Amino acid sequence: VQLVESGGGLVQPGGSLKLSCAASGFTLSSYAIHWVRQTSGGLEWLGRMRSKANGDATIYLGSVQGRFIISRDESKNTAFLQMHSLETEDTAVYYCSRQATTGTTLDSWGQGTLVTVSS
Amino acid sequence: DIVMTQTPLSSGVTLGQPASISCRSGQSLVHSDGNTYLNWLQQRPGQPLRLLIYRVSNRFSGVPDRFSGSGTGTDFTLNISRVEAEDAGVYYCMQGARFPYTFGQGTNLELK
Repeated sequence: VQLVESGGGLVQPGGSLKLSCAASGFTLSSYAIHWVRQTSGGLEWLGRMRSKANGDATIYLGSVQGRFIISRDESKNTAFLQMHSLETEDTAVYYCSRQATTGTTLDSWGQGTLVTVSS
Repeated sequence: DIVMTQTPLSSGVTLGQPASISCRSGQSLVHSDGNTYLNWLQQRPGQPLRLLIYRVSNRFSGVPDRFSGSGTGTDFTLNISRVEAEDAGVYYCMQGARFPYTFGQGTNLELK
């Protein structure tokens, strides 16, 4: 089981960025996927997309609701985090994580991708 | 949101000695399915997050048995029976009982 994030980089305030989370060793659509970010202030959960069998339902942290969108491409076995209207406070390392098939435990994590929002 | 408070924030431990980290939640972590979703994560320097303990006291696959978790209600503890060099890093508690999921501030475990 492996998750590999990519797509991070430098973006100007107000800009957009799309992060990818490529899965290997398992079928991504069979699991819920979460996104979490890490700053010097700690870890912050951002949102979740449920498995395909559970209707791909999404839920987000209030402060990113309407700006961040989680999606998935089954053919690529990859999940995405589309981020809009980025602010300097969004600067962080972004992780994707897989939720276990039973319960809510996040059992696998990627290595993270750094997003820097700066002019 | 459920606030997760860890103590201590930093701990210096001698190799071979035990270590203990506490985590207190602002609300009960009992999920609607009856399980208590309190997890412990490890982050070694330069490494991704790693699940150690799930649902309070269950060791994840591959986790050495020197790691154990306990607790009920709102008070939880991660214990390391005999610290080894590879245990240096930051430890986080995390609740998955209610959205938004939240994390403790992290405890930096340093080896003396």
